[in-house]
Amino acid sequence: GIQVEQSPPDLILQEGANSTLRCNFSDSVNNLQWFHQNPWGQLINLFYIPSGTKQNGRLSATTVATERYSLLYISSSQTTDSGVYFCAVVAIADQGGSEKLVFGKGTKLTVNP
Amino acid sequence: SQTIHQWPATLVQPVGSPLSLECTVEGTSNPNLYWYRQAAGRGLQLLFYSVGIGQISSEVPQNLSASRPQDRQFILSSKKLLLSDSGFYLCAWSFRGEQYFGPGTRLTVT
Repeated sequence: GIQVEQSPPDLILQEGANSTLRCNFSDSVNNLQWFHQNPWGQLINLFYIPSGTKQNGRLSATTVATERYSLLYISSSQTTDSGVYFCAVVAIADQGGSEKLVFGKGTKLTVNP
Repeated sequence: SQTIHQWPATLVQPVGSPLSLECTVEGTSNPNLYWYRQAAGRGLQLLFYSVGIGQISSEVPQNLSASRPQDRQFILSSKKLLLSDSGFYLCAWSFRGEQYFGPGTRLTVT
């Protein structure tokens, strides 16, 4: 099955710093999502981005489907950005009914005041 | 708007006891529904998915089962819990390819 690798596994920042999180995947995808898991465990949808670039406030994401990677940019980080960021994909082979998401292991972000 | 509910929020159960976790979705019809588990180490693993009433696909052979008795209801069950069943269980639904997750149930098997 498709493999999803995220880097770095852990990241510690000072408030106000910028960061880039990376997601590599091993096969063509039909769907790519970025999530933020907050300290209470809730998975919050950040982006649905199988290709192209999107921006939402201080966050933006770019997926280059032909090169099988996606990047999540966080600018002017805040303590509330802390948590684990997950990339998840649906392989094109799995489209057409089930839309099964395969998750990476996540990047744990800590933003210190 | 669509919302997804899970209960209970936390659960502590002894080894060998039964389990029933419930998930319901409001504001949509005939959604794809999913059960994921997140164990220590952060990764999420797909356990079951359903594309309609009574249609269940299992991704991982294990001690758990799932049922979908109604269009917007998805239930995760076990007849006898194992210590290894501990974890954070999340229900999700999908709309136009994008998946949305419920608040989760934190299960501790003692």
